[in-house]
Amino acid sequence: QVQLQESGSGLVKPSETLSLTCTISGDSISTGGYSWNWIRQPPGKDLEYIGYIYYSGSTYYNPSLKSRVTMSVDRSNNQFSLKLNSVTAADTAIYYCAREVLLRNYFDPWGQGTLVTVSS
Amino acid sequence: DIQMTQSPSSLSASVGDRVAITCRATQSISNYLNWYQQKPGKAPELLIYAATTLQRGVPSRFSGSGSGTDFTLTISTLQPGDFATYFCQQSFSTPRTFGQGTKVAIK
Repeated sequence: QVQLQESGSGLVKPSETLSLTCTISGDSISTGGYSWNWIRQPPGKDLEYIGYIYYSGSTYYNPSLKSRVTMSVDRSNNQFSLKLNSVTAADTAIYYCAREVLLRNYFDPWGQGTLVTVSS
Repeated sequence: DIQMTQSPSSLSASVGDRVAITCRATQSISNYLNWYQQKPGKAPELLIYAATTLQRGVPSRFSGSGSGTDFTLTISTLQPGDFATYFCQQSFSTPRTFGQGTKVAIK
């Protein structure tokens, strides 16, 4: 059974860079047919899609965040990562990683999510 | 971006009730519509994909219907474990977008 687990700093200062990693267990990130995604939910607000990365390193970023987002893959550690720079309080959210099954176009599974707070 | 609107935002129901949650897209998304369940502090879980297909392991009391712009998630007989938040998500185009969620609470 595939499981995803987010990790990273829970507190980031304004203007600095948020860094999160998603560790995959039960499958290899190099298995074809999937994209590896980041999604966030600010407190009391809707889920917001951040973007995806393929195992090859190809990426898609939501245009609303594109100028500040970088995603990467670490095949040796079976992980993928998110960096969001120049953060503000508006970036405070629960961040989820999730696998999208490409032929079916759904997210499964998701990680449990990690709260990142932007505050000085 | 395609906007997804769910209704209601919350509802109160009793065990055994039939519950219906609707999701509307701002443009046609064919059947590219997924439903998830989320309990507090837990990861969202896929219930239904492609508008009507039940994910493996999901009880048959859950069902999905609709196509185009209007979709419905129905729980035929609400069980104690079904009290949770449900949200829809379109996979017709990028960026993927989500409904705001419907919280199902105990009456």
